[in-house]
Amino acid sequence: LAKTTQPISMDSYEGQEVNITCSHNNIATNDYITWYQQFPSQGPRFIIQGYKTKVTNEVASLFIPADRKSSTLSLPRVSLSDTAVYYCLVGTNYGGSQGNLIFGKGTKLSVKP
Amino acid sequence: DSGVTQTPKHLITATGQRVTLRCSPRSGDLSVYWYQQSLDQGLQFLIQYYNGEERAKGNILERFSAQQFPDLHSELNLSSLELGDSALYFCASTVGLAETDTQYFGPGTRLTVL
Repeated sequence: LAKTTQPISMDSYEGQEVNITCSHNNIATNDYITWYQQFPSQGPRFIIQGYKTKVTNEVASLFIPADRKSSTLSLPRVSLSDTAVYYCLVGTNYGGSQGNLIFGKGTKLSVKP
Repeated sequence: DSGVTQTPKHLITATGQRVTLRCSPRSGDLSVYWYQQSLDQGLQFLIQYYNGEERAKGNILERFSAQQFPDLHSELNLSSLELGDSALYFCASTVGLAETDTQYFGPGTRLTVL
């Protein structure tokens, strides 16, 4: 079971690019990396998922180096509405159980004007 | 809107009481998960059901129980409530069992135990 480590909190200003790095040193071959976003008093919502290299969607980019021992969620030009907690999860696409996924405390991103 | 519904939105009760939280998964999703989130804490996985059967258990207290019904909705029962049970309870659903399946979360039920 791959454990993840991410910063407890980060501060940024509107318009800046924010990069949140997650470490997962014992990631397994069949593991994928998934990021969720949670606003206060709301349930988390899926942002992006990737296996290797780079994935981009309309919300964010996910960079995964060749050794896959870490990943970086990149949020371009953040706004105040991006203030939220961001969770990094590592899970397998072969067997396993979502009960093994650990959300932890995530990274609390605060965007200031 | 994730398509997952939870009722009630808020619940206030007293210590020692019993409550039932309800969750309806997204149409087509067979798997339901329950999470507890206390103030400033991360999401704690409680239990998972798939097509009516229990599939995984997290740190769920013996005072808590859950079930998934034939129509796939799920209920989380919390009994002998204590002050420390005050939290947000989220339900999530996925189409299948893979860890890579996207979890769709409901809006949560805020439980306050006085």
